[in-house]
Amino acid sequence: DVKVTQSSRYLVKRTGEKVFLECVQDMDHENMFWYRQDPGLGLRLIYFSYDVKMKEKGDIPEGYSVSREKKERFSLILESASTNQTSMYLCASMWSGRGRETQYFGPGTRLLVL
Amino acid sequence: GDSVTQMEGPVTLSEEAFLTINCTYTATGYPSLFWYVQYPGEGLQLLLKATKADDKGSNKGFEATYRKETTSFHLEKGSVQVSDSAVYFCALTLSGGYNKLIFGAGTRLAVHP
Repeated sequence: DVKVTQSSRYLVKRTGEKVFLECVQDMDHENMFWYRQDPGLGLRLIYFSYDVKMKEKGDIPEGYSVSREKKERFSLILESASTNQTSMYLCASMWSGRGRETQYFGPGTRLLVL
Repeated sequence: GDSVTQMEGPVTLSEEAFLTINCTYTATGYPSLFWYVQYPGEGLQLLLKATKADDKGSNKGFEATYRKETTSFHLEKGSVQVSDSAVYFCALTLSGGYNKLIFGAGTRLAVHP
């Protein structure tokens, strides 16, 4: 079974703190994604990576950065957390190639910024 | 731009009732279509998918047919159970473009005994 794990299920941080969210997958997937989930808005793509050290902006990258130093690990960084970044963050991974479009999701990290 | 629209929730049903959750899409090209489900406290998991027109995806009693002429991918189940209570997301991905998923807003389903 594909397993995608996220470092924390719940986090509470203060405004201005630097926040790291970690995601690890064990299936040698090339592609990894970070989404945020907010009520009524569905999932919105923050950043994605299609290879080690490669990254692409998604639909809402402002206030975030990412790092992918190893194939299995994709980190989301909030350089200076703000209250409007309170949300559920979901990581996903996927193989490349047509016919392999299924994304596998981690359990999510619920972040509260005070 | 490309987008997915699904019916607003919550949808509240009694056990064994028939379920339909509507989903329509706008896309250039030929998307693959998905339904993902999120059970309480969990991440999303793939429920079913269809990759070309007239394909039917099915899983766990749920079905959805890719209708190109109406740009729709409605989710149906003949008899829901309490354990089906969850949030359901319709999504599409386009060929090429690193297979980014575009999600609808999600529909919460609550099934009562």
